[in-house]
Amino acid sequence: DQQVKQNSPSLSVQEGRISILNCDYTNSMFDYFLWYKKYPAEGPTFLISISSIKDKNEDGRFTVFLNKSAKHLSLHIVPSQPGDSAVYFCAASARNYGQNFVFGPGTRLSVLP
Amino acid sequence: GAVVSQHPSWVICKSGTSVKIECRSLDFQATTMFWYRQFPKQSLMLMATSNEGSKATYEQGVEKDKFLINHASLTLSTLTVTSAHPEDSSFYICSARGLDWKPDTQYFGPGTRLTVL
Repeated sequence: DQQVKQNSPSLSVQEGRISILNCDYTNSMFDYFLWYKKYPAEGPTFLISISSIKDKNEDGRFTVFLNKSAKHLSLHIVPSQPGDSAVYFCAASARNYGQNFVFGPGTRLSVLP
Repeated sequence: GAVVSQHPSWVICKSGTSVKIECRSLDFQATTMFWYRQFPKQSLMLMATSNEGSKATYEQGVEKDKFLINHASLTLSTLTVTSAHPEDSSFYICSARGLDWKPDTQYFGPGTRLTVL
């Protein structure tokens, strides 16, 4: 049973436009959410995070929105750049679970020049 | 940011042999290290968690006698895949955190691709 879902395996966006990556979770105990970016043959690198006490966190071109009632979060990248092309993983953690991360399956973003 | 290295980055072995993968934290003391595996087009699945100086805690369904984890120092953890078989072929990624960690300060290694013939 997948606790963290990313229903879009891939997404293509034109350079300069907005990229929206979605993530849904089922476990209401999750209280911290992270987005990681991964290039082929490399480990994931941390991108941005949000605590469950917030509904928005912004860092430069990256903004994460959290809708706790819908158990949904999204990552917005604007403007999208070709270097953003990568696989994006949504991850969730819970203080009660030792803060181990549960990862979604990832969404491959392709930003077209 | 902190750096976590893995060695080797790629290994091919024959079925029945054992393979050791090293994970090192280069500029911080990793009190806890995690081992993940990733199958193609799938998510990272946590295999086990290890704290320095103690036995690893394995996730359900992961055979502890097959995947031996040693976390003997604050900068090194090793994963040994014993008697490897083709179904063990996967991308193995380690992750490390220090004592004063926050969720966004858990660092990942570059991964090791294991191919078992």
